[in-house]
Amino acid sequence: NAGVTQTPKFQVLKTGQSMTLQCAQDMNHEYMSWYRQDPGMGLRLIHYSVGAGITDQGEVPNGYNVSRSTTEDFPLRLLSAAPSQTSVYFCASSPSDLRGYTFGSGTRLTVV
Amino acid sequence: EDQVTQSPEALRLQEGESSSLNCSYTVSGLRGLFWYRQDPGKGPEFLFTLYSAGEEKEKERLKATLTKKESFLHITAPKPEDSATYLCAVEGGATNKLIFGTGTLLAVQP
Repeated sequence: NAGVTQTPKFQVLKTGQSMTLQCAQDMNHEYMSWYRQDPGMGLRLIHYSVGAGITDQGEVPNGYNVSRSTTEDFPLRLLSAAPSQTSVYFCASSPSDLRGYTFGSGTRLTVV
Repeated sequence: EDQVTQSPEALRLQEGESSSLNCSYTVSGLRGLFWYRQDPGKGPEFLFTLYSAGEEKEKERLKATLTKKESFLHITAPKPEDSATYLCAVEGGATNKLIFGTGTLLAVQP
């Protein structure tokens, strides 16, 4: 049982480049979320999904897109990378509302 | 606006020295309060969910309690392996959004 798998683990981008952070879970969880974690600011919600085909914005959605075509996958797209998007990104999944989330191991992204 | 504040920011304990971490919150209609543990370089690990004031949950040396304004994570006779950042999060109102505090960094010295 792999849980929540995030790829890549590390990435360096140049300003203006685009890329997709991958997230997959094998627990048949309906709820999935993307967070970014910055020093002194805690985990902030970027986008979340309560099921395939359903997504919504979190606290800091600008500059990011998501889609949820299957239950298992929830990719996060950076449209045009900016230095302010340098952060550690976590994907998480939960079986339903008000249940604890299982987090992936994170992607450390640096934008230069 | 929903808000979560954790204190202290950092706490250093001797092995066996019990203490408590605080999580105060303002949210319109709390539906759940969550505690997570995060080790350096890893994703948060779920510990507890509390749903209503007066509720308590325990796991090994950890006990979480909830009032209408705050939650406490009590650590009894901690060991060095309890060293980690402890995160509190709330879900409230009509959304499914989880709002996190900035965490308490706990260091337990042998």
